[in-house]
Amino acid sequence: DSGVTQTPKHLITATGQRVTLRCSPRSGDLSVYWYQQSLDQGLQFLIHYYNGEERAKGNILERFSAQQFPDLHSELNLSSLELGDSALYFCASSVATVGATNEKLFFGSGTQLSVL
Amino acid sequence: SQQGEEDPQALSIQEGENATMNCSYKTSINNLQWYRQNSGRGLVHLILIRSNEREKHSGRLRVTLDTSKKSSSLLITASRAADTASYFCATETPSGNTPLVFGKGTRLSVIA
Repeated sequence: DSGVTQTPKHLITATGQRVTLRCSPRSGDLSVYWYQQSLDQGLQFLIHYYNGEERAKGNILERFSAQQFPDLHSELNLSSLELGDSALYFCASSVATVGATNEKLFFGSGTQLSVL
Repeated sequence: SQQGEEDPQALSIQEGENATMNCSYKTSINNLQWYRQNSGRGLVHLILIRSNEREKHSGRLRVTLDTSKKSSSLLITASRAADTASYFCATETPSGNTPLVFGKGTRLSVIA
């Protein structure tokens, strides 16, 4: 058990809908990362939050947004869903402070999103 | 964009044999990390090698790093059926606080 909790584990929804994925990082970890894993694209970085602030953005669509709350949990919101958004969404956390290097990530079990 | 590219994409070996996976990357790095993913589960960190290190060991794992060739290899010795998983390399670039960039992984099957 990595200590990172993601809910729900599975989500089935229809095109055009909006969903929210939730992540609780390991106790004490200030950084939260979101990744999307699909068969054709591999593991793609979406966004990074540190202590409530957005720190880096990757290949995140404008239809997607995220935030990190004062209690450090994070939510990834996906809207106007398309078939191609079906993927495994991972949250990871680390103790990394700003400018830190050589940090390893602890991954949650992921949320499997199926858009029908 | 993918920084690391693992090779081969898939590998099937018998239990007890050694498994070697390779990773090539494109830009300079602070470190390179290897992760394992069991089917449909989260990734688990295996080992981190810094850019000034050439080799590192952890149990049955041996990682090498050649920064001149921008490549790394992961060797799993005396493989077990439980080693069946996908293995990913991930690189951290010198810019502070940048996210890890993962390759597409090598699927290892260890046959008992």
